[in-house]
Amino acid sequence: EDQVTQSPEALRLQEGESSSLNCSYTVSGLRGLFWYRQDPGKGPEFLFTLYSAGEEKEKERLKATLTKKESFLHITAPKPEDSATYLCAVLGGNEKLTFGTGTRLTIIP
Amino acid sequence: EAGVVQSPRYKIIEKKQPVAFWCNPISGHNTLYWYLQNLGQGPELLIRYENEEAVDDSQLPKDRFSAERLKGVDSTLKIQPAELGDSAVYLCASSLRQGGGELFFGEGSRLTVL
Repeated sequence: EDQVTQSPEALRLQEGESSSLNCSYTVSGLRGLFWYRQDPGKGPEFLFTLYSAGEEKEKERLKATLTKKESFLHITAPKPEDSATYLCAVLGGNEKLTFGTGTRLTIIP
Repeated sequence: EAGVVQSPRYKIIEKKQPVAFWCNPISGHNTLYWYLQNLGQGPELLIRYENEEAVDDSQLPKDRFSAERLKGVDSTLKIQPAELGDSAVYLCASSLRQGGGELFFGEGSRLTVL
């Protein structure tokens, strides 16, 4: 069974304080790793897809990286509007998308 | 372009009552998903449709849950009868690519069972 573990569960940062969120996974036949952002009361919003170890994707202050066992979402100089829950998900060979429980990120002005 | 539309946004019912949720996916997206999300948890798949066909309903509790996607567009998820443990957010999502992971989610339907 595919598994996704995200850490930390919650993270509070001062505005401008860079950090990283971790997503470790076990999957049979990785077909992709996905990062989503979820605001309170909203559905998840797709951010990135990573397909193979060594791959990196960037969007504004966010950069996602992938190894064979984990992915990191690096956030550089965050702003209060980056506050959200960040979800990681893996797509395995069975075409099932398995989500982690998320990291709740709070950026303090 | 309109996103995934769900209704109702909120529903409060007594246990043992029926409830139904409706979803209209993004135009042209043949793949439709229903997910359940409990507080503090990630979404969990209930059912996936490719056009009108339910290709994965292994996680759908079929004794009380049912879903349909007539004409391969709109979909309805029904619970009858509802139980206290069904209180959660029911998310609908659609995707352009079959079997992919880039999903577009609606805002969800929050169900409270009293």
